[in-house]
Amino acid sequence: DTEVTQTPKHLVMGMTNKKSLKCEQHMGHRAMYWYKQKAKKPPELMFVYSYEKLSINESVPSRFSPECPNSSLLNLHLHALQPEDSALYLCASSQDKSGGRDTQYFGPGTRLTVL
Amino acid sequence: GQQLNQSPQSMFIQEGEDVSMNCTSSSIFNTWLWYKQDPGEGPVLLIALYKAGELTSNGRLTAQFGITRKDSFLNISASIPSDVGIYFCAGQDNFNKFYFGSGTKLNVKP
Repeated sequence: DTEVTQTPKHLVMGMTNKKSLKCEQHMGHRAMYWYKQKAKKPPELMFVYSYEKLSINESVPSRFSPECPNSSLLNLHLHALQPEDSALYLCASSQDKSGGRDTQYFGPGTRLTVL
Repeated sequence: GQQLNQSPQSMFIQEGEDVSMNCTSSSIFNTWLWYKQDPGEGPVLLIALYKAGELTSNGRLTAQFGITRKDSFLNISASIPSDVGIYFCAGQDNFNKFYFGSGTKLNVKP
């Protein structure tokens, strides 16, 4: 099973709303990732969690707040977003093998629209 | 950050034709991955490569990890309409970071 699930599939929110994106994997992977993807562009890394600890933050604005409650779950809390934050948000996971030689699997994404 | 150059940017081919796309990097990678993405969906892993020189097939798809560890190619043989989509390469460094190419948009004419 190489499945990463994400909810919700679609989300529309106002600039004053607070919402959360959820991601889950049951492959025993120890690294989990959030990416943002604009149309016709490659995924852009936001955060990486390794063994439930935040290991990479690609200078993401604080209106995006990640959380890793356990090794299977990853959340992205959203607050006071801007219309330009509208995008496809992708979660991914990998085994977190040292020295690379890892394989990353993506979820189906959450299509976020900020009004 | 590391730069990945993926080419071509887009391709228009006839059904049944073979396709080739490639990625080159300014740095060495330990892993090369190839993904296909349909509109509004997440990227789906096609092939994973872990060793310099490795040649791996998955049905009509074949990919190779370049000997210099700075490049990889993906070939699709006998293309069909459902091959339409955007193909991304990704390379992994020594840490938990994957770098993506800009994508190759494939169009297949029946």
